[in-house]
Amino acid sequence: GNSVTQMEGPVTLSEEAFLTINCTYTATGYPSLFWYVQYPGEGLQLLLKATKADDKGSNKGFEATYRKETTSFHLEKGSVQVSDSAVYFCALSDHANYGGSQGNLIFGKGTKLSVKP
Amino acid sequence: GAGVSQSPSNKVTEKGKDVELRCDPISGHTALYWYRQRLGQGLEFLIYFQGNSAPDKSGLPSDRFSAERTGESVSTLTIQRTQQEDSAVYLCASSFSSGGASGNTIYFGEGSWLTVV
Repeated sequence: GNSVTQMEGPVTLSEEAFLTINCTYTATGYPSLFWYVQYPGEGLQLLLKATKADDKGSNKGFEATYRKETTSFHLEKGSVQVSDSAVYFCALSDHANYGGSQGNLIFGKGTKLSVKP
Repeated sequence: GAGVSQSPSNKVTEKGKDVELRCDPISGHTALYWYRQRLGQGLEFLIYFQGNSAPDKSGLPSDRFSAERTGESVSTLTIQRTQQEDSAVYLCASSFSSGGASGNTIYFGEGSWLTVV
């Protein structure tokens, strides 16, 4: 079945440090891949996405590249800020229709990031 | 409104009571999803509606959980005979047809926080 595995947190970094949050996936079809972010006290927001192999999603200085050969979609940012403190969720949505679940998102467990000034 | 709207935002209920949670999706979105997020956990898929197709109920944890959707608009998630383990944030989301499978963005509401005492 489809699944997402992301590195466990919490991750604590100093401001301007480099960030990597690892995400790997298992999918039976051809998934689209997403990173969602949940800031403290707020709802879940789409951060970036990639819909096919070798695509790079980017937003707010964050990037992730869809690597089919390693089934990965690692999130990176060159210089984090205190305002990036949040929980980050990797997710996939499979194009294949298995059991009628086409289209829904499968989430990782989330990685909490704390950035210290 | 412009986004996915959920009500109530907070609900405290006694064990054994029934609760109803409401979701108003973004206008024009044919796909609607319910997820559950327990404290410190990732998101669990519950149910998925897509237009007039039969809903995908594969994520519902027990027969105490049910959901309905009227056409392509409002959805109600009902939990009967609530248990303490049902305490969680219940998130509703919507998207254009096929949701993430086509790379479409899935937009989340801010959630309904349910506490069963």
